[in-house]
Amino acid sequence: EIVLTQSPGTLSLSPGERATLSCRASQSFSRSSLAWYQQKPGQPPRLLIYGASSRAAGTPDRFSGSGSGTHFTLTISRLEPDDFAVYFCQQYGSSPITFGQGTRLDIK
Amino acid sequence: EVQLVESGGALVQPGGSLRLSCAASGFTFNTYKMHWVRQAPGKGLEWTSYISRSSGTKDYADSVKGRFTISRDNAKNLVYLQMDNLRAEDTAVYYCARGEGPDYCSSSTCHGFGYWGQGTLVTVSS
Repeated sequence: EIVLTQSPGTLSLSPGERATLSCRASQSFSRSSLAWYQQKPGQPPRLLIYGASSRAAGTPDRFSGSGSGTHFTLTISRLEPDDFAVYFCQQYGSSPITFGQGTRLDIK
Repeated sequence: EVQLVESGGALVQPGGSLRLSCAASGFTFNTYKMHWVRQAPGKGLEWTSYISRSSGTKDYADSVKGRFTISRDNAKNLVYLQMDNLRAEDTAVYYCARGEGPDYCSSSTCHGFGYWGQGTLVTVSS
């Protein structure tokens, strides 16, 4: 099983700042099998990025994904009030599909 | 508009059974792979099961293997999760999700889970 570890656990930033979220894997896998999701309280997750760097339909271009091997990054270039939420990474290249534990992005 | 609507969540005693349903609309159901993902209260996401377009392939997380069964009815645009021998640790919101990817995608998904339902709460407690 591929274990995904996200850091930091909580990130406190102000609107307009840049956010960098990390997702590290216990073993290397294809970058084509990495996704990022955003989840707000009481809502299901929303797909932001797939294939490590491809934006899903409707994802603003201030969101970008990068990385390969065992280290992946989600960057939000300039935070807007709507971006404060929990973010999960996911690998879907091998079974079982696994998620990271999440990074909470809080307003500072 | 793509919609996934889960139902069937309830309070059930340990050792009991429950069947969840997910009604799909707004897309050609039999051309998409489907998954169930759960989220315990205040916790992260856990994938539990997958079913291919024709039901020929199914896969389960170890935590539910042998207790949960995923199935689908393409004529009714429904996907099910039969949950038996439930445990307290199965308490969670259960989401159905659609696996995205091109037709030639041989994996359970190639582009992540693009659509999710709102979820249904399963509580296992005496």
